[in-house]
Amino acid sequence: QKEVEQNSGPLSVPEGAIASLNCTYSDRGSQSFFWYRQYSGKSPELIMFIYSNGDKEDGRFTAQLNKASQYVSLLIRDSQPSDSATYLCAAPTNAGGTSYGKLTFGQGTILTVHP
Amino acid sequence: ETGVTQTPRHLVMGMTNKKSLKCEQHLGHNAMYWYKQSAKKPLELMFVYSLEERVENNSVPSRFSPECPNSSHLFLHLHTLQPEDSALYLCASSLPGGGQRNEQFFGPGTRLTVL
Repeated sequence: QKEVEQNSGPLSVPEGAIASLNCTYSDRGSQSFFWYRQYSGKSPELIMFIYSNGDKEDGRFTAQLNKASQYVSLLIRDSQPSDSATYLCAAPTNAGGTSYGKLTFGQGTILTVHP
Repeated sequence: ETGVTQTPRHLVMGMTNKKSLKCEQHLGHNAMYWYKQSAKKPLELMFVYSLEERVENNSVPSRFSPECPNSSHLFLHLHTLQPEDSALYLCASSLPGGGQRNEQFFGPGTRLTVL
């Protein structure tokens, strides 16, 4: 089982709709989770982090975390064509108690928002 | 400059050439990472440096040689590469792990083409 798993999509939604991106993880010890957005040919950009169960909202973005189910999601409300990108879910990797912030990334979900 | 910078942004090299990629972070971090991202593929972690010591080498061929002279600079020395090494090479940095906020910040990447 992959440590962080995402539905690779592609996910296509119409402009103005809610896009829902999902991620599951295997390490029950993971405490925080990150969502990155990566435009084609560009580097990943951090857009959200969450470490408490429940919802965290930032503008049009809402991250949801359910530690019991080992599930984290990202909702994008009022989707815009400019939201079209690959979204990467990431969780810290406790590789034998490392002192550095290694992250394990999912394979990414490609989102397309069409006008 | 702020954040994480990488030079060059684009590089074309022959299989017999020797070149180096440079990464510099201005965030006060002390862990640095090299990733490879081939077209439409997930991020592949290559090397991790923590406090200037290499702590991970994920089965990377010896034609890739990293160097971390201090906590702000990271190099990737390239020699006798193969066409399949053509990819986007991303540098990232982070604070020490163990806390709730250990996200990584990425540089813009170097687009490498091996002829």
